[in-house]
Amino acid sequence: GENVEQHPSTLSVQEGDSAVIKCTYSDSASNYFPWYKQELGKRPQLIIDIRSNVGEKKDQRIAVTLNKTAKHFSLHITETQPEDSAVYFCAAFSSNTGKLIFGQGTTLQVKP
Amino acid sequence: DGGITQSPKYLFRKEGQNVTLSCEQNLNHDAMYWYRQDPGQGLRLIYYSQIVNDFQKGDIAEGYSVSREKKESFPLTVTSAQKNPTAFYLCASSIGQGAVEQYFGPGTRLTVT
Repeated sequence: GENVEQHPSTLSVQEGDSAVIKCTYSDSASNYFPWYKQELGKRPQLIIDIRSNVGEKKDQRIAVTLNKTAKHFSLHITETQPEDSAVYFCAAFSSNTGKLIFGQGTTLQVKP
Repeated sequence: DGGITQSPKYLFRKEGQNVTLSCEQNLNHDAMYWYRQDPGQGLRLIYYSQIVNDFQKGDIAEGYSVSREKKESFPLTVTSAQKNPTAFYLCASSIGQGAVEQYFGPGTRLTVT
């Protein structure tokens, strides 16, 4: 069935450095790719999303890139801050199944 | 916050008992979802509903049941048939069932002993 693989599972960076999280998906009918941030004990919240007709999208320090041919998409966070520390989930929505499939999550730790 | 609520935040039950988790939204969203979150496994879809009085099984529906009698409400029952019910349960809603943002509730942590 459809699957989303996310790497790395944990990521530790120094404040001010960049962080990159990568995801691959299996369903070629996937056309919507959101990224959610979940702080400890809180609900997941959408931070950025991208649709299959776009290759890159940026929102301040956060950017997402999509490579449809390779079926992978990535989250880039620049100038990381301690408040960026959280679990990040990628997801892929398939127009075939009508479901949003999540990756396993990446725990990002930003050290001050 | 607000818009989609879940209660209670923590729930404890004895093995063999059914338990119902509440999910309510005032966003006027048609679609609602239930996910289960376990460490290292992301969010897995249990059930979803696109419209009132209709719902479909997700990827891990065994041992769970739902109802959608009102647009605002989508309760999840964890039955005694669910082999490993201890988990963090998240409810979500979206304006429609498709490639759109899902809004999550604060979650219910269920512990079954």
